[in-house]
Amino acid sequence: DGGITQSPKYLFRKEGQNVTLSCEQNLNHDAMYWYRQDPGQGLRLIYYSQIVNDFQKGDIAEGYSVSREKKESFPLTVTSAQKNPTAFYLCASSIKGPGANVLTFGAGSRLTVL
Amino acid sequence: GQNIDQPTEMTATEGAIVQINCTYQTSGFNGLFWYQQHAGEAPTFLSYNVLDGLEEKGRFSSFLSRSKGYSYLLLKELQMKDSASYLCSDNYGQNFVFGPGTRLSVLP
Repeated sequence: DGGITQSPKYLFRKEGQNVTLSCEQNLNHDAMYWYRQDPGQGLRLIYYSQIVNDFQKGDIAEGYSVSREKKESFPLTVTSAQKNPTAFYLCASSIKGPGANVLTFGAGSRLTVL
Repeated sequence: GQNIDQPTEMTATEGAIVQINCTYQTSGFNGLFWYQQHAGEAPTFLSYNVLDGLEEKGRFSSFLSRSKGYSYLLLKELQMKDSASYLCSDNYGQNFVFGPGTRLSVLP
């Protein structure tokens, strides 16, 4: 079955460490997205990519980095520069192009900074 | 801007009907989406409107008025499993903006 796989599901990090969250999709979707979700708030866009080797900053990109070397993969690195990284991170994908397309989400990764 | 507003919490009784409202302020509008998210899980797609009017999908319906920047999600014959957060999302350009979500509690 096609879908999006995020790993790890739970991750603990010490302050000052970088961590990378994996996101893999086999839906043949061109566009991929990373969102952050905090309690009581909506999903906020960190980065998105419409095509391989290209990506754009979202609303809260500071302290994060991404790469898109393959169509299927869009890993997110949470760097030590991110001051408040404890959150639920969601990866999503959609068919490329303007107009309305449905987002398909992964199961999420919950990051806790100790 | 792309502000999206929806109530933070709602409570309803099993078997009842509930309406969750959403207002948005955006340009380049490409559609209004509703997603359901159970606690600790990923959002899943429920419904989508790009034209004015009502879209019905079983127990769930969604309405859109573009001139008023307003949408609602209507849930009929509520079941306990409908207890979840409901996210309103606006698609503009090649991006998606989400509201804060409405946490619905269905009581027996």
